Amino acid sequence: DTEVTQTPKHLVMGMTNKKSLKCEQHMGHRAMYWYKQKAKKPPELMFVYSYEKLSINESVPSRFSPECPNSSLLNLHLHALQPEDSALYLCASSQVDRNIQYFGAGTRLSVL
Amino acid sequence: AQSVTQLGSHVSVSEGALVLLRCNYSSSVPPYLFWYVQYPNQGLQLLLKYTTGATLVKGINGFEAEFKKSETSFHLTKPSAHMSDAAEYFCAVSDGGGFKTIFGAGTRLFVKA
Repeated sequence: DTEVTQTPKHLVMGMTNKKSLKCEQHMGHRAMYWYKQKAKKPPELMFVYSYEKLSINESVPSRFSPECPNSSLLNLHLHALQPEDSALYLCASSQVDRNIQYFGAGTRLSVL
Repeated sequence: AQSVTQLGSHVSVSEGALVLLRCNYSSSVPPYLFWYVQYPNQGLQLLLKYTTGATLVKGINGFEAEFKKSETSFHLTKPSAHMSDAAEYFCAVSDGGGFKTIFGAGTRLFVKA
């Protein structure tokens, strides 16, 4: 099973809203990732968690707040987003010592 | 540092024709190489990967790729295109042990009936 599950599939939010994206995997992977993908572009890395600790933050604005409550779950909390944050947000997971990443289907976010 | 170059942002083939998507990489360490496919409004699906060992790797949906170290290439092929192959394809490289995966710009494959 190489499934990474993301919810919700679609999200529309206003600039003053607070929302969260959720990602779950049951492959025993201890590295989990958040990516942002704009139309017709490759994914851009945002955050990496390793053993539930934040390992990489690619200078992402603080209006994006990641959380890894356990080894299977990864959240991305959103607050005061801008219209330019509208994108496909992808979650991925891998083994810590073997960087082969498996992706979820993504959450399509629209900020109005 | 690692980098990936995909030659051709768009490739168009007829149904039943050979599919060839080109990828060249740069890496100072033995690379892990990947092809991902992305259908419209979906996430990335791992098509195939090279880590070590056999240089010709087979993936899902009849795709395969060959790791050629001397040419620093990892081209993706499929003998006979199907309409369902129309999608965006990303070549990617990692160093295997870290967390960074470098993606190419992507190649959009069109399949004509």
